[in-house]
Amino acid sequence: NAGVTQTPKFRVLKTGQSMTLLCAQDMNHEYMYWYRQDPGMGLRLIHYSVGEGTTAKGEVPDGYNVSRLKKQNFLLGLESAAPSQTSVYFCATQRDYSYEQYFGPGTRLTVT
Amino acid sequence: QKEVEQDPGPLSVPEGAIVSLNCTYSNSAFQYFMWYRQYSRKGPELLMYTYSSGNKEDGRFTAQVDKSSKYISLFIRDSQPSDSATYLCAMTPGSGNTGKLIFGQGTTLQVKP
Repeated sequence: NAGVTQTPKFRVLKTGQSMTLLCAQDMNHEYMYWYRQDPGMGLRLIHYSVGEGTTAKGEVPDGYNVSRLKKQNFLLGLESAAPSQTSVYFCATQRDYSYEQYFGPGTRLTVT
Repeated sequence: QKEVEQDPGPLSVPEGAIVSLNCTYSNSAFQYFMWYRQYSRKGPELLMYTYSSGNKEDGRFTAQVDKSSKYISLFIRDSQPSDSATYLCAMTPGSGNTGKLIFGQGTTLQVKP
C-alpha cells in the first residue's frame, strides 16, 4: 500500500500563475485534509473534506480552492499564486472512527 | 495566545539520555492527544495517540496527559541519534469537530552520539 501520496514533490511558480496539487490515498478513508507548514507557525489547516463531494474551510483558506470528486483524491488549487503561498504543503487522511491522521510526504512550493 | 504552546528548542542531548518534550494548551475541551515525529524534509509520522488523562507506553516512548494542568508530555528513554527530528504535539476536542487537529509548532530534538 502506498498510503498517502502527493504530486508534485517540488514546484516553482511565478506570481500570478496557477497550479493544482494532487493528494491520493489508498486507505479508503473518508476524511482528508490540506495543511501548510511554515517556520515558526506549525501546521495550519487550509481546507478539509469529510467525504466524496464535500469540502470545508479550515484556518487559512484564502487564496486556495479544493475539490474532492473521488473519495481517493483531494485536490488543492492555487488560482493566482502569491509569494505568501511559498510553503510546504501536506495532505493527510484520517482513520475512520478515530482522530489519527496520516500524512503524505509533502510538496515544496516556491512562488517568486 | 496560541491554543497550543510548544517550546521550539532546539533541544540537544547525548545518546542514551531521557528526553522530555512538552506542550501546554488552553482549551479544556481537548480530549484526544497525539505526538508526531517529523524528520527533515519528510511528512509528520504518528507516534503516539492517547485519549483523556493518563499514561501510554510504546517501547521507548511514553505519552503522558495531565488534563487538570492542561499539560502533555512525551518521554523518550535511551535516546538514539535516529530520534533526532522535530516532534509535534496535536490535539482535538473530538466529537463534532470533524477531526480538525490543533498542532504545536514543534520541538527540534538532536541526539548526539
